[in-house]
Amino acid sequence: AQSVTQLDSQVPVFEEAPVELRCNYSSSVSVYLFWYVQYPNQGLQLLLKYLSGSTLVKGINGFEAEFNKSQTSFHLRKPSVHISDTAEYFCAVSDKGNTPLVFGKGTRLSVIA
Amino acid sequence: DTAVSQTPKYLVTQMGNDKSIKCEQNLGHDTMYWYKQDSKKFLKIMFSYNNKELIINETVPNRFSPKSPDKAHLNLHINSLELGDSAVYFCASSQQGAGNTIYFGEGSWLTVV
Repeated sequence: AQSVTQLDSQVPVFEEAPVELRCNYSSSVSVYLFWYVQYPNQGLQLLLKYLSGSTLVKGINGFEAEFNKSQTSFHLRKPSVHISDTAEYFCAVSDKGNTPLVFGKGTRLSVIA
Repeated sequence: DTAVSQTPKYLVTQMGNDKSIKCEQNLGHDTMYWYKQDSKKFLKIMFSYNNKELIINETVPNRFSPKSPDKAHLNLHINSLELGDSAVYFCASSQQGAGNTIYFGEGSWLTVV
């Protein structure tokens, strides 16, 4: 079975600074990888996903993530964050069968003015 | 138009009561889900339906009973509510297939007192 580890539960960062949110996964088979964002009191929405092809994936709101198979990682990055990026970020993994999407425990990104 | 809508958004009820949360999606998806998010933001799947058929039923007390009258609706009924049932419940939908994006509703905040 697959699992996801988000190494940081909270990441504070100053406005306009770069940020990286770390995600590692474990799976015995090929996987699909996702990053979702949850703004306060809202549901989750997709930031980006990796299915195949280029290992660098670009998403909404200036975020990107890089799939690294040898390190089993899918870290999320943004070169310059805004106050509005303050939210909870979830990494998720799915194998290519019908098993459900498995979420990490989330990383709380707090952008400080 | 809201893609995945669930009602009520907030629900406060006493222990022992029975309550329902309704969910509807207008995206034409064939698969719907219920997820539970606990106070630590951990997100875990409870149920998944494909074309009204139950396909995923994780380890959930049988006090929780989902019902899908048609592809666009998936309701969650909870009997004999307990304090530990307090959480945010998210309805979601997607097209069947591991790489497809899951779209979430805005959540139903259940508080059992």
